Amino acid sequence: EVQLVESGGGLVQPGGSLRLSCAASGFTFSSYGMNWVRQAPGKGLEWLSYISSRGTIYYADSVKGRFTISRDDAKNSLYLQMNSLRAEDTAVYYCGRGGQWLPFDYWGQGTLVTVSS
Amino acid sequence: EILMTQSPATLSVSPGERATLSCRASQSVSSNLAWYQQKPGQAPRLLIYGASTRATGIPARFSGSGSGTEFSLTISSLQSEDFAVYYCQQYNNWPPIFGGGTKVEIK
Repeated sequence: EVQLVESGGGLVQPGGSLRLSCAASGFTFSSYGMNWVRQAPGKGLEWLSYISSRGTIYYADSVKGRFTISRDDAKNSLYLQMNSLRAEDTAVYYCGRGGQWLPFDYWGQGTLVTVSS
Repeated sequence: EILMTQSPATLSVSPGERATLSCRASQSVSSNLAWYQQKPGQAPRLLIYGASTRATGIPARFSGSGSGTEFSLTISSLQSEDFAVYYCQQYNNWPPIFGGGTKVEIK
């Protein structure tokens, strides 16, 4: 069974940093592209970043230069390093499998990030 | 960047009735269009990909159609568990943009 489990969310002050993790199981992690998607309270889905199985990376303009996606195939894990956090980054952050002409077929349960003083 | 527009924003439907949701892309996305269902407090779930292919385990009452710029999701007979928010997403170009969503609520 495919499982994606996010962790690392929490309360952080504006300007602070946070690192999210997504632990994958039930599939050959190294063979798949992975994404981060967020959802602000009461809002829709916003794609943030993608990393391919070969390391090709894309970012949304809203996070380019502040967020860094990475993966560790040996640990079956995906990461999102978030720096210079703003109030508008407050959201539930999901990891999802797919991208590069593929839909997002599996999603984690999400982790809440709250940016507030 | 491709813009994905969903309509209506809210759809009020009685259980057992048919619901049709629309999604329009600002430029052609071929058939690289997916539909997701999201219930409160849950992650999105893939329903349809390739504009018309049901994902694994998705009931036959869900169907998708369209290509290019105009797409629709039809739920043939709404069940209680189908009341949720539905998002379309294009994955033909970067970034893989989501539509704003259609909330299907009980009439």
